[in-house]
Order: sequence, then C-alpha cells, then structure tokens
Amino acid sequence: NAGVTQTPKFQVLKTGQSMTLQCAQDMNHNSMYWYRQDPGMGLRLIYYSASEGTTDKGEVPNGYNVSRLNKREFSLRLESAAPSQTSVYFCASSPHRDLEGEQYFGPGTRLTVT
Amino acid sequence: AQTVTQSQPEMSVQEAETVTLSCTYDTSENNYYLFWYKQPPSRQMILVIRQEAYKQQNATENRFSVNFQKAAKSFSLKISDSQLGDTAMYFCAFMRYGGSQGNLIFGKGTKLSVKP
Repeated sequence: NAGVTQTPKFQVLKTGQSMTLQCAQDMNHNSMYWYRQDPGMGLRLIYYSASEGTTDKGEVPNGYNVSRLNKREFSLRLESAAPSQTSVYFCASSPHRDLEGEQYFGPGTRLTVT
Repeated sequence: AQTVTQSQPEMSVQEAETVTLSCTYDTSENNYYLFWYKQPPSRQMILVIRQEAYKQQNATENRFSVNFQKAAKSFSLKISDSQLGDTAMYFCAFMRYGGSQGNLIFGKGTKLSVKP
C-alpha cells in the first residue's frame, strides 16, 4: 500500500496562474481532506469530502475548489494563485465517520506563489 | 468555537529521559476526541495517540501516554525513554464528536528535540 500520495511535491507559481494539486489514497477510505500549513501554525482545513460525490468547506476555503473524482482521488484547484496561498498543502484520508480524527496524511506539497 | 493551545513552542530532552508536552483546549462540548500528531522532519503527519472524552482512563501507546484532565481541559503527552527518532513537531488536536466531519482543530505545535 502506498497510503496517501500527493503530486507534485514542490511547485512555484506566478500570481494569477492556476494549478491542481492531486491526491490519491489506496486504503479504501471514505473521507478525504485538504489542509494547509503555514509557518508557526497548525494545519487548517480547506475542504473535505465525506464520501464520493460530496464536498464541504472547511475553515479556510476561499480561493480554492475541490473535486472528489472517485473514492480514491481528491483534487485541490487554485484558479488564480495569490502570494497568500504560499503554504504547504497536505491531503489526508480516514476510514469512516467514527474514526475521522484518525487521519492518514500524504507527504505534502510545498507551493510558492511569487 | 473550539481552540487548542500549546504553550511550549520548543522543548528539548536527553535521550532515554522522559518529557511531557502540554496542551489545553477550550470547548463547550461534552463529547469529543483529542489527538496527538507527530510531524518529523520528513513533514508527514503521523497519529501518535487518541483519547475519547467519555473515557476516564488515559490512553497509552507504547512509550507514549497522555494525562487527560477533562475538568481542567488539559491533555498532555508524556514520552518515556525518549529516542532520537522522537525529534519532531508535535501537534495537539481536537475534534467534536458527531460534528463537522473530520474537522480537526490543531494547536500551533511544540518542536521537540531529543539530544544524544
């Protein structure tokens, strides 16, 4: 099992450019999440998906969109990148509602917007 | 709104010794979960230990144990026989039971250095 995988690992964008961060899990988990981590901060939830076909906003959704393509994949899109979106982005998954705090994380994507 | 506070930005401990990391939280909920996550230099977050608020018994996981004081809203992590591989950022996290799915609220973290 690869667990949770994320691509790319690093990315540099110019202000206004768009990109999609990819996430996939091979653990047959129902729930998936996108977080961002800024220096000196804990992780903050951007969006989550409780099951295939559903998505909901988290704490900091502005400037982002998501797609739960199927049970395995959950992508995060930045339509018009801004310097404030410079961060490390983590994808996570969890098996079912009762264990939702037990999340399995990917290795992260370090995004820099200039 | 729930908040999680970790008052120790950095700590260090000698190898083989014991260290305790502090965490306090604020909530009006009665049912919730608390977690400690570890983030080593590789950046990947790893669950260390979990505690259900309705359980009075403190959770343990090998060398890791917690001191959960519900009335005081305190949730500290004790690491016994510290090892070099324990060097990492440690995040305390809160989740309301049955609430917004998967909405983990994280503290700002404590950077732990284990010295040989």
